[in-house]
Amino acid sequence: DAKTTQPTSMDCAEGRAANLPCNHSTISGNEYVYWYRQIHSQGPQYIIHGLKNNETNEMASLIITEDRKSSTLILPHATLRDTAVYYCIVSKTNTGNQFYFGTGTSLTVIP
Amino acid sequence: DGGITQSPKYLFRKEGQNVTLSCEQNLNHDAMYWYRQDPGQGLRLIYYSQIVNDFQKGDIAEGYSVSREKKESFPLTVTSAQKNPTAFYLCASSTDWDRVHFGDGTRLSIL
Repeated sequence: DAKTTQPTSMDCAEGRAANLPCNHSTISGNEYVYWYRQIHSQGPQYIIHGLKNNETNEMASLIITEDRKSSTLILPHATLRDTAVYYCIVSKTNTGNQFYFGTGTSLTVIP
Repeated sequence: DGGITQSPKYLFRKEGQNVTLSCEQNLNHDAMYWYRQDPGQGLRLIYYSQIVNDFQKGDIAEGYSVSREKKESFPLTVTSAQKNPTAFYLCASSTDWDRVHFGDGTRLSIL
C-alpha cells in the first residue's frame, strides 16, 4: 500500500479550524484514505475515510484533491480534547494488516 | 456498548519470564490484530488473525506468540525470546462491514 507524508507537528488555537495535510502521491485508484487519531496512552480512534469525494461526519471533514495525491483533514472548531496524534493511512481494504501507521502529525490545541 | 477490552492496562515482567496480554472483543469481528508501539513511533504489526484457529505473522513477530481459539479472544504472549519487550501493545479488530477498532492498550515494562 502507498505510504503517506504528514507534518510532524502542528498547533491550532482553540475554537479555530485545524487543517491537517497529508500527501499520498503514489496512491492507486482503489485505495481509500483513512484518518485515525490517538490521544496519549489510548488506542487509535477512527475519524473518517474517503475514496474520491469529500466526506463529512460529526467529527471532521475530509477534502481529497482531484488527482487524489493529497488530502486535508479539517476539524472545524478545535477543542483541547482534539490534542492528539493524527494518522493518515492509505489502504485498499479495511483490514488492520494493510494499514501502515507512520509517525503521524502531533496536533496541539492551544487555549 | 461493543468494543475491545485489553487487560491489564499496566503489566510488569521480570527478565526471562513469559507474559500474556489479554484481548477480548464483542463486536463479532472476524479479524483481530496485535500491534506494538514504541515512544514517538507509529504502530507496528506483530500478528494478525482473519478467522478462528488461523493467524499470520506481521512485521515483527519474533519473540511473540498468539492463539485464536475463539472468535472473541486473541491473546498475545511475549516470550523471553523478545529481547526488548518494553512497549505499548495495542489490539484491534475489524470485519468487512465495519472499520478497524482498537483497544486502549497494555503498557508492558521490565522490572
